[in-house]
Amino acid sequence: GAVVSQHPSRVICKSGTSVKIECRSLDFQATTMFWYRQFPKKSLMLMATSNEGSKATYEQGVEKDKFLINHASLTLSTLTVTSAHPEDSSFYICSARDRRTSGDLHSEQFFGPGTRLTVL
Amino acid sequence: AQSVTQLDSQVPVFEEAPVELRCNYSSSVSVYLFWYVQYPNQGLQLLLKYLSGSTLVESINGFEAEFNKSQTSFHLRKPSVHISDTAEYFCAVTRVGDSNYKLTFGKGTLLTVNP
Repeated sequence: GAVVSQHPSRVICKSGTSVKIECRSLDFQATTMFWYRQFPKKSLMLMATSNEGSKATYEQGVEKDKFLINHASLTLSTLTVTSAHPEDSSFYICSARDRRTSGDLHSEQFFGPGTRLTVL
Repeated sequence: AQSVTQLDSQVPVFEEAPVELRCNYSSSVSVYLFWYVQYPNQGLQLLLKYLSGSTLVESINGFEAEFNKSQTSFHLRKPSVHISDTAEYFCAVTRVGDSNYKLTFGKGTLLTVNP
């Protein structure tokens, strides 16, 4: 199957600093990438949908100025948590849909392994 | 909006025993249904999906799920589990007609298979 990587896998930062998380599709081009947040014992919460060549679409309740998403290329999307605070500590997961089959209902989302963010 | 409920947060079973992981959904529109599996330190992987046709769908590693529209359920079953099936299992839905196929997930069920 297709591979999606995330970097870093773990990051610890001080309150008030910004953190950038990268999501890469390694062997395919991704027309659409998704960013999720997962709290302990909670479901994955979709934060935003990023389509190549356009601005990200954020879900209700997600602050777009705090969680900056850039779909820089067909293989890279970044999530920047600006002025991070302890309540932003969470597990962030990205996923991507293959450009070749993005219009096909049968195509699936490929998920990265996640990034654990801890804000002190 | 859609919602997904996974009734069991943890399910411990012994090897070679049968297992059922329960999933119910709520939606005012038609949905497609999915089960994803997450092995330790790995990303989520698609296990199986229901789009249309036969309500019973199967995976290559022996899992099956049945879509029950009247009960709004999509329970996952396996007649005999292996140690290697130990993982977190997520049920998810997407609205029919959503061009991005955004997924709404349940909270997950941790399946632990003991020897």
